[in-house]
Amino acid sequence: AQSVTQLDSQVPVFEEAPVELRCNYSSSVSVYLFWYVQYPNQGLQLLLKYLSGSTLVKGINGFEAEFNKSQTSFHLRKPSVHISDTAEYFCAVSWNSGGSNYKLTFGKGTLLTVNP
Amino acid sequence: NAGVMQNPRHLVRRRGQEARLRCSPMKGHSHVYWYRQLPEEGLKFMVYLQKENIIDESGMPKERFSAEFPKEGPSILRIQQVVRGDSAAYFCASSPSRSLSYNEQFFGPGTRLTVL
Repeated sequence: AQSVTQLDSQVPVFEEAPVELRCNYSSSVSVYLFWYVQYPNQGLQLLLKYLSGSTLVKGINGFEAEFNKSQTSFHLRKPSVHISDTAEYFCAVSWNSGGSNYKLTFGKGTLLTVNP
Repeated sequence: NAGVMQNPRHLVRRRGQEARLRCSPMKGHSHVYWYRQLPEEGLKFMVYLQKENIIDESGMPKERFSAEFPKEGPSILRIQQVVRGDSAAYFCASSPSRSLSYNEQFFGPGTRLTVL
């Protein structure tokens, strides 16, 4: 079965430090890749997505991610975090095969805590 | 433009009772998806519906769970005779009509079901 792995369940960092949240997936067949953020008691908000084209994707709030096909990874980065970035981050993958590209498979999430 | 609405936000049921979760998609969206997030897990796809049609229910448990998206009104996820293992957050997402490329899914805030 296809799967998504977020290697770190929690990542504590200090404000203005850089951060990388890691995401790997199980297959390099044609994929769509996503990062969502969930603030407490809110729904998931799309940060960025990779559908095709440039492997470096820029999203909202200064986040970016790089699609690495050979390593089946889609790590999320931000050069300088703010307290307001404290949230849960989910990596999600849609395998573009068999007409079911609407079906998102999520990782378990990474809780990013930004400390002053 | 209001986002995806879900209610109730929190629902408590005793074992054996029925749970009804409602989802109103974004205006203009005719596709609805339900996902379940068990504790310490990522979101898992349950079902994909269009108005009056179930397109893919491959992620739904075979018993006790059903979903509908009537011509008028919200989508309903119904769980009969709930058990403690049904305790989870249930998220609804919606997207506009299918296009040739990927349709972004917009998520609601979720319903947190607790079974006592």
